[in-house]
Amino acid sequence: DAGVTQSPTHLIKTRGQHVTLRCSPISGHKSVSWYQQVLGQGPQFIFQYYEKEERGRGNFPDRFSARQFPNYSSELNVNALLLGDSALYLCASSFPSGLYGNTIYFGEGSWLTVV
Amino acid sequence: DQQVKQNSPSLSVQEGRISILNCDYTNSMFDYFLWYKKYPAEGPTFLISISSIKDKNEDGRFTVFLNKSAKHLSLHIVPSQPGDSAVYFCAASGNQFYFGTGTSLTVIP
Repeated sequence: DAGVTQSPTHLIKTRGQHVTLRCSPISGHKSVSWYQQVLGQGPQFIFQYYEKEERGRGNFPDRFSARQFPNYSSELNVNALLLGDSALYLCASSFPSGLYGNTIYFGEGSWLTVV
Repeated sequence: DQQVKQNSPSLSVQEGRISILNCDYTNSMFDYFLWYKKYPAEGPTFLISISSIKDKNEDGRFTVFLNKSAKHLSLHIVPSQPGDSAVYFCAASGNQFYFGTGTSLTVIP
């Protein structure tokens, strides 16, 4: 079975641009969450979606947004990119809700460099 | 405010010996704890978890211990193998998942 898949794997953007990152969860998983990992730190929670509804949001500015589609795949959008947004963006999926005692499984991540 | 802390950024262990990775947390409401392993250029891979109603969970060479009164958990790897060399993150589940900053384990052949 395929694990969590993310695209693109690497991308370079200019300050002020926007970016869309995509994620397909493990088959049968209905919850997707997004994390940002900068060098030397652990993953930081951005969003969690379950059944197409936002179920949790971390301490990130409104430039960050996400959505989940009927097939449970998800997009993370970041507007007005800053140099500090350069990071590894991780998508994780779980069944059923992703919180409170459920294990989350990560994809390989999307490496974003903002120049 | 770091709710999950891994105070040892790195650890070196001889092959065949025990590796002990430690993690502390501050929120007594956390009820589920996990360990992930991460190789460079890959996403974190789930290793083992433990519910707050238990104090030990074992899976092959990996054992996680939870001391709720001390708000401390540890991961034991016995015997350590060179392929275990990676960064290990502990995580705690509350209203979201909180991750530590990781411990880089090097197993020396």
